[in-house]
Amino acid sequence: EPEVTQTPSHQVTQMGQEVILRCVPISNHLYFYWYRQILGQKVEFLVSFYNNEISEKSEIFDDQFSVERPDGSNFTLKIRSTKLEDSAMYFCASSLSRGGTEAFFGQGTRLTVV
Amino acid sequence: AQTVTQSQPEMSVQEAETVTLSCTYDTSESDYYLFWYKQPPSRQMILVIRQEAYKQQNATENRFSVNFQKAAKSFSLKISDSQLGDAAMYFCAYGSGNTGKLIFGQGTTLQVKP
Repeated sequence: EPEVTQTPSHQVTQMGQEVILRCVPISNHLYFYWYRQILGQKVEFLVSFYNNEISEKSEIFDDQFSVERPDGSNFTLKIRSTKLEDSAMYFCASSLSRGGTEAFFGQGTRLTVV
Repeated sequence: AQTVTQSQPEMSVQEAETVTLSCTYDTSESDYYLFWYKQPPSRQMILVIRQEAYKQQNATENRFSVNFQKAAKSFSLKISDSQLGDAAMYFCAYGSGNTGKLIFGQGTTLQVKP
């Protein structure tokens, strides 16, 4: 069964460093998303991406964040200068279309900022 | 803005019994979908069941069914014949038909007692 793959599974970084979280969505999917979940809290939408551009972003997704689909298969989330409060589980998701189709989630990347 | 509320932080059920998890939502959109996701300790997000808002018939998926009350903006999940493997965090989610992004509730931790 096709799946969304995220790497790394766990990343530890120093405050102020740049991190790139990587995702390989399901190959025929067209819509891509990043969500985050601070430990013990709900899952929050960060950004959606379609046709090589951001279609929607939340208030969390400020200038420190960026997304890219550099080669037609990978989908990356970059945090330019990490803060302690960026520590969270980051989930990538993809779907065939928007709206009611199932969004398939990756297994997540646990980001720890120290 | 759309909101999703899960008022039960924790629930417990005896193995083989039935449990209902509650969810309410608020929206002014007419095109939307509702989902229940399961998050086991591995923290992978797994789709349990989905409901199209334009359908009156309640969705069912094996032991899982929903009670969708559109006028009341209520979307509860019923788990029948509970199994130990059902123990997890359950998230109710609203999916916009326009944008595809998901808005999650706070989650309900379900404990299944043998």
